[in-house]
Amino acid sequence: AIQMTQSPSSLSASVGDRVTITCRASQGIRNDLGWYQQKPGKAPKVLIYVASSLQSGVPSRFSGSGSGTDFTLTISSLQPEDFGTYYCQQDYDYPLTFGGGTKVEIK
Amino acid sequence: QLQLQESGPGLVQPSETLSLTCTVSGGSVSSASYYWTWIRQPPGKGLEWIGHIYYSGSTKYNPSLKSRVTISVDTSKNQFSLKLSSVTAADTAVYYCARRVTRPEFFDYWGQGILVAVSS
Repeated sequence: AIQMTQSPSSLSASVGDRVTITCRASQGIRNDLGWYQQKPGKAPKVLIYVASSLQSGVPSRFSGSGSGTDFTLTISSLQPEDFGTYYCQQDYDYPLTFGGGTKVEIK
Repeated sequence: QLQLQESGPGLVQPSETLSLTCTVSGGSVSSASYYWTWIRQPPGKGLEWIGHIYYSGSTKYNPSLKSRVTISVDTSKNQFSLKLSSVTAADTAVYYCARRVTRPEFFDYWGQGILVAVSS
């Protein structure tokens, strides 16, 4: 199975900060990667698909980049409602796998 | 607006079979554009893809669970179901049903999740 490794595992940042989360795949996955946000007690919500496409309704402060094995999710200006845990997920091969998550806390 | 709703027992005895159903409203499980998926999340941990079913009835399972998992679809009720046999405490998790778009591929709608505890 393709292993997805996220870093950092947690971060604390202030409103307005630029936040970057990285995801590394154990083998090349082209651009078959999505990013999901999960708030406590809720189901995950898609933010980005195919590495850089913004899902409809998601604020433009979220962006994704990368291809092959290294990917990045960027929040250009962190907002109070952006707290939660962020997961990357590869869609390149079965079994589909998720990263371990990055917990984002607002200072 | 598509909605997915999980249902089933919240407590299952060890060695028994966990059975859950996902009812889809506002869309059809007969659509060729989606995979109907089960994903789980143990308390305080990350997400694990269990498997999916396509409208044709074809399935794909996570090898880590493959010998114990069955996913089926009932088009007449617009539902799909999960059965996980021989459960242990390690199967305690929130179970989500979700819709995965086929092109491009991503999970666009999720149910609210159902907590299933395995305990005697």
